[in-house]
Amino acid sequence: DADVTQTPRNRITKTGKRIMLECSQTKGHDRMYWYRQDPGLGLRLIYYSFDVKDINKGEISDGYSVSRQAQAKFSLSLESAIPNQTALYFCATSDFWSPSNEQFFGPGTRLTVL
Amino acid sequence: QQPVQSPQAVILREGEDAVINCSSSKALYSVHWYRQKHGEAPVFLMILLKGGEQKGHEKISASFNEKKQQSSLYLTASQLSYSGTYFCGTNDNNAGNMLTFGGGTRLMVKP
Repeated sequence: DADVTQTPRNRITKTGKRIMLECSQTKGHDRMYWYRQDPGLGLRLIYYSFDVKDINKGEISDGYSVSRQAQAKFSLSLESAIPNQTALYFCATSDFWSPSNEQFFGPGTRLTVL
Repeated sequence: QQPVQSPQAVILREGEDAVINCSSSKALYSVHWYRQKHGEAPVFLMILLKGGEQKGHEKISASFNEKKQQSSLYLTASQLSYSGTYFCGTNDNNAGNMLTFGGGTRLMVKP
């Protein structure tokens, strides 16, 4: 089983709809992240959480919100989706105690907003 | 501000070498390198900490020049499996694992 899972893997929605992307991990990591990937722009950080009670805005948080329901679960919501939120979304985790600070990425969710 | 990667794309024949550069406008604590194969998630390659450290991973190595605020990834005797997009991620203050990623360098290795 994958250590970091994301649901759904693909989603097509309409402008103005509320949508939630979910991320779960079995790695026991305390830190979780949401990124979006657009061609030529690399990975941009939306939100991150260092533990259940900690939520922080990243580089491009406008139009997004998150919830850390448990150490293993971190959800990303688009309150009112717009077409320029069409992108590939990745969840990632890392371990505070890891000397390499390696981030482990989920498989991604491809979101299309019409 | 995102680090700048160059080149944006490179095509190689098997066995050729390549260098990918990553430059930042900020003083850096560490640089991380990831590779993403088509349709897959990014995968960690290595981390370089300030101090000019050079690390290796198979025939892939990297250097970090903190004075110049840049890192370079060296791919030696490239293999078909090296194809993918390479990202550098920079950490400028060691505040947790916060990374700012560059736009990526697409590498294609042909037989």
